[in-house]
Amino acid sequence: SQQGEEDPQALSIQEGENATMNCSYKTSINNLQWYRQNSGRGLVHLILIRSNEREKHSGRLRVTLDTSKKSSSLLITASRAADTASYFCATDTQGGSEKLVFGKGTKLTVNP
Amino acid sequence: DTAVSQTPKYLVTQMGNDKSIKCEQNLGHDTMYWYKQDSKKFLKIMFSYNNKELIINETVPNRFSPKSPDKAHLNLHINSLELGDSAVYFCASSQLPGRNQPQHFGDGTRLSIL
Repeated sequence: SQQGEEDPQALSIQEGENATMNCSYKTSINNLQWYRQNSGRGLVHLILIRSNEREKHSGRLRVTLDTSKKSSSLLITASRAADTASYFCATDTQGGSEKLVFGKGTKLTVNP
Repeated sequence: DTAVSQTPKYLVTQMGNDKSIKCEQNLGHDTMYWYKQDSKKFLKIMFSYNNKELIINETVPNRFSPKSPDKAHLNLHINSLELGDSAVYFCASSQLPGRNQPQHFGDGTRLSIL
């Protein structure tokens, strides 16, 4: 069954603006990962955040995790047209198998 | 240099046929995966192998049979293809098995059943 749900399903912004995507999940996790998928390509790993971490940064990316609300957010600052892609969160299940469960993604369009 | 490569990129075939998809990774990883992404972009794991041994086998019809001749290769054979098998199939790898491992994906095989 699906664990992560991204919100919104689609987001359109202008270059230079910030983009925020959210992920909610149902059961307790050990880790949460964010991936990017450009059209016609495979997924690319962006960042992994552990359940005992609250925030993580990588370049223009900032990920937060709130385990009490079972949610995570991905913020892309100063967006560029090249950031246009679908973004997925992937979660595991605490005490469950080793597999990752992906959400349906947020489709981000950055207009030049 | 492509890290995870899949062949073919496109596969168009008729219902009832048997087909194979090949995957190779040159990252030196121990673990490989097959995922299926449907038309709504929902990505679901099918199988995972660690060093040639099957470790994850989701509820996939037994028409799908993975084979790992060595830890750098994971192939997927599909018998008696059905319309519902139309999807994009992704191969991925990670250094080790486990939920805390980033996964590296190939660019997918787009399977269309006529």
